[in-house]
Amino acid sequence: DAGVTQSPTHLIKTRGQQVTLRCSPKSGHDTVSWYQQALGQGPQFIFQYYEEEERQRGNFPDRFSGHQFPNYSSELNVNALLLGDSALYLCASSPEGQGFADTQYFGPGTRLTVL
Amino acid sequence: DAKTTQPNSMESNEEEPVHLPCNHSTISGTDYIHWYRQLPSQGPEYVIHGLTSNVNNRMASLAIAEDRKSSTLILHRATLRDAAVYYCILSGQGGSEKLVFGKGMKLTVNP
Repeated sequence: DAGVTQSPTHLIKTRGQQVTLRCSPKSGHDTVSWYQQALGQGPQFIFQYYEEEERQRGNFPDRFSGHQFPNYSSELNVNALLLGDSALYLCASSPEGQGFADTQYFGPGTRLTVL
Repeated sequence: DAKTTQPNSMESNEEEPVHLPCNHSTISGTDYIHWYRQLPSQGPEYVIHGLTSNVNNRMASLAIAEDRKSSTLILHRATLRDAAVYYCILSGQGGSEKLVFGKGMKLTVNP
């Protein structure tokens, strides 16, 4: 059973460009969350998708947007990249309806470097 | 979001027990206590969670204070593979709650 997968592993972009990161959730999971982790910091919640809709959003600007597909996979898009967007982007999946205290399963992340 | 406080770092020796503390004095009655850890160059990994009672699983034990204002993650026999950043997180009821991570605590395991 494959866990959460993310692509690409690493990415280098320049300021002002746009980037798309991809995530496939663990089998049987239908909820996907995205996190940004700057160097030396804990992950920060960006948003969560369920049933192809954004359900929760953290304190991130509109430059960060996402999408969830019918097969539950998800994309994170970042427009007008800034140097400060350089970070490890983590995708986590969980099963809806598990009840309280859902366990989230994280992928290995995509390391984005903005030059 | 309820906050937790952890030491910045701890050291332990291989094959010895390790007690990782976490303070959460503002915890609400419905908040669960979660522990995740992040090994170098990997995404966070679930360790254990609990509400009021102590919990055990194959990875660790979670001891929760009677007033729930603190908890302790116990690794019964530390191995080199347990060297990681450990995060103590609170989350409320409801499915798929977002996780609010702090800076975590770096555990070093000496051979």
